[in-house]
Amino acid sequence: EDQVTQSPEALRLQEGESSSLNCSYTVSGLRGLFWYRQDPGKGPEFLFTLYSAGEEKEKERLKATLTKKESFLHITAPKPEDSATYLCAVQATGTYKYIFGTGTRLKVLA
Amino acid sequence: KAGVTQTPRYLIKTRGQQVTLSCSPISGHRSVSWYQQTPGQGLQFLFEYFSETQRNKGNFPGRFSGRQFSNSRSEMNVSTLELGDSALYLCASSLRADNTEAFFGQGTRLTVV
Repeated sequence: EDQVTQSPEALRLQEGESSSLNCSYTVSGLRGLFWYRQDPGKGPEFLFTLYSAGEEKEKERLKATLTKKESFLHITAPKPEDSATYLCAVQATGTYKYIFGTGTRLKVLA
Repeated sequence: KAGVTQTPRYLIKTRGQQVTLSCSPISGHRSVSWYQQTPGQGLQFLFEYFSETQRNKGNFPGRFSGRQFSNSRSEMNVSTLELGDSALYLCASSLRADNTEAFFGQGTRLTVV
């Protein structure tokens, strides 16, 4: 069964303290892996799509990487405005649905 | 350019009633998906449409239905509402036929009392 597990569930960082979020997945065949950011009461905001192992994408303080079993979202020198829930999702080949993990709640303290 | 628009933003319904939620995708996007988000289950897939055809359906009871119109706008309907249907319902659209890189709307918060 296709599955996505995110860790840790929650993370508190001091401003400037870099860290990584993990997304482990099991899927029959990977079409794409997606990272989203969600603020309370809002819809998920698209961040990155990764298609194949070894691929990396960057945007401001965020960098996403992909292996055959997991993806990491690296946050470099985070700021309080980076506080949000970060969601990982996968799409298997032959389907159009996304399977989401339960997310990592990130809190960055000033 | 305008994002995915969902209406209404908030809705309160009574058990046993039915409800229709609306989603207008980003202009040019033909793939539309629906998800239910609850604190206990996270985001769960409901259905996906492309050019008025339902291509995938999630594991929800038959009370949940949807459709897509020729202008790509989509609606979902929930009949005989139950307390457990209270959730944030999210719509997403994609420019790509394979539905990668989907962009979400702000959601409709449904409360069933």
